[in-house]
Amino acid sequence: QQQVKQSPQSLIVQKGGISIINCAYENTAFDYFPWYQQFPGKGPALLIAIRPDVSEKKEGRFTISFNKSAKQFSLHIMDSQPGDSATYFCAASRDNYGQNFVFGPGTRLSVLP
Amino acid sequence: ETGVTQTPRHLVMGMTNKKSLKCEQHLGHNAMYWYKQSAKKPLELMFVYNFKEQTENNSVPSRFSPECPNSSHLFLHLHTLQPEDSALYLCASSQFLRTDTQYFGPGTRLTVL
Repeated sequence: QQQVKQSPQSLIVQKGGISIINCAYENTAFDYFPWYQQFPGKGPALLIAIRPDVSEKKEGRFTISFNKSAKQFSLHIMDSQPGDSATYFCAASRDNYGQNFVFGPGTRLSVLP
Repeated sequence: ETGVTQTPRHLVMGMTNKKSLKCEQHLGHNAMYWYKQSAKKPLELMFVYNFKEQTENNSVPSRFSPECPNSSHLFLHLHTLQPEDSALYLCASSQFLRTDTQYFGPGTRLTVL
């Protein structure tokens, strides 16, 4: 119930392509779904987040699509760039409660020049 | 220094050693967290402190002992660790416990021989 599943484990995309990472959850009490980006040697940093009252949120080249009935959400990176190469983590929490954050296992994205 | 800092960045210790990890946040936040990041596994929340009081201990073995002397500093004291404790230990902070965004430090890469 507390688990967040994430796929794929790794992803290779050509520069300019679209990167898509998918996550699924079971706990219907989750109401906040952030994506974190982590570069080597750095801690994760919040990239974009969504709440269940909207089905899509876009910030620049990054878009979250949310399907409440399927309990799935995904990150789309448009016009992927080599600088986007990093590990991406989806997460979920209930009531904004920091101690209830549950993270997915991560997706290592490599964008080829 | 800005953001969340962690020292040391790398630590190698024997199973009988005692060492401490330090985290300092310069953001004026009131909640601080310790996470364990192992390869190909989700981030594992270990401890949560809110206004210097521990609010969460996710069944962490007693060989890990946290300390939070004030809202800006968080320590993780280590003793008689096992090789499987080798991981990246991340500290994070948020303005309040019930807050969207957690800000992560760069982590301490721990190797237990």
